[in-house]
Amino acid sequence: DQQVKQNSPSLSVQEGRISILNCDYTNSMFDYFLWYKKYPAEGPTFLISISSIKDKNEDGRFTVFLNKSAKHLSLHIVPSQPGDSAVYFCAASVAGAGSYQLTFGKGTKLSVIP
Amino acid sequence: GAGVSQSPSNKVTEKGKDVELRCDPISGHTALYWYRQRLGQGLEFLIYFQGNSAPDKSGLPSDRFSAERTGESVSTLTIQRTQQEDSAVYLCASSPSWKTQYFGPGTRLLVL
Repeated sequence: DQQVKQNSPSLSVQEGRISILNCDYTNSMFDYFLWYKKYPAEGPTFLISISSIKDKNEDGRFTVFLNKSAKHLSLHIVPSQPGDSAVYFCAASVAGAGSYQLTFGKGTKLSVIP
Repeated sequence: GAGVSQSPSNKVTEKGKDVELRCDPISGHTALYWYRQRLGQGLEFLIYFQGNSAPDKSGLPSDRFSAERTGESVSTLTIQRTQQEDSAVYLCASSPSWKTQYFGPGTRLLVL
């Protein structure tokens, strides 16, 4: 039973355009969400997060949107740059549940075309 | 500052052998996690350490897997009698709080 789903395995975007990566979750207990970026042969790098009390969090070119009623979040990258090409993982946790372990999606490979 | 480090970076072993993977967390981080990522999959939680509290072992897939951590320092993940399905990237993460986890580069384990 996959609790965090990234239904698009890959996405290609032209440089300068917007990249939108989507993530759905099924566990209504999740209340903290994160996006990680991963380059080949490296560990995931934290990108941006959002608490369930918010519906938007912005950091530079990266914005995360959370729609709790739809159990959906998305990551917007504007403008997209070739260096953004990587695998993006959506992750969720239950704050206050003890270990705060992260439940990850399978990832979306973003390719930004120059 | 120094990030999370893991060793070895790559490990090839024969089925049935034991392997030990090491993680050095970021200094001062009280929480330490182990995850694994099998090919084409997301990261799976294995085990969590927080200070001197009893670890959360709920993600360990079998009793062949065990992990230790001394205080708030180094952790080792041991896999006994390795099987081919244990082949994966094993990732360690540390955290100063409950919010953000910082990952190491991982150990790529291949069981032949």
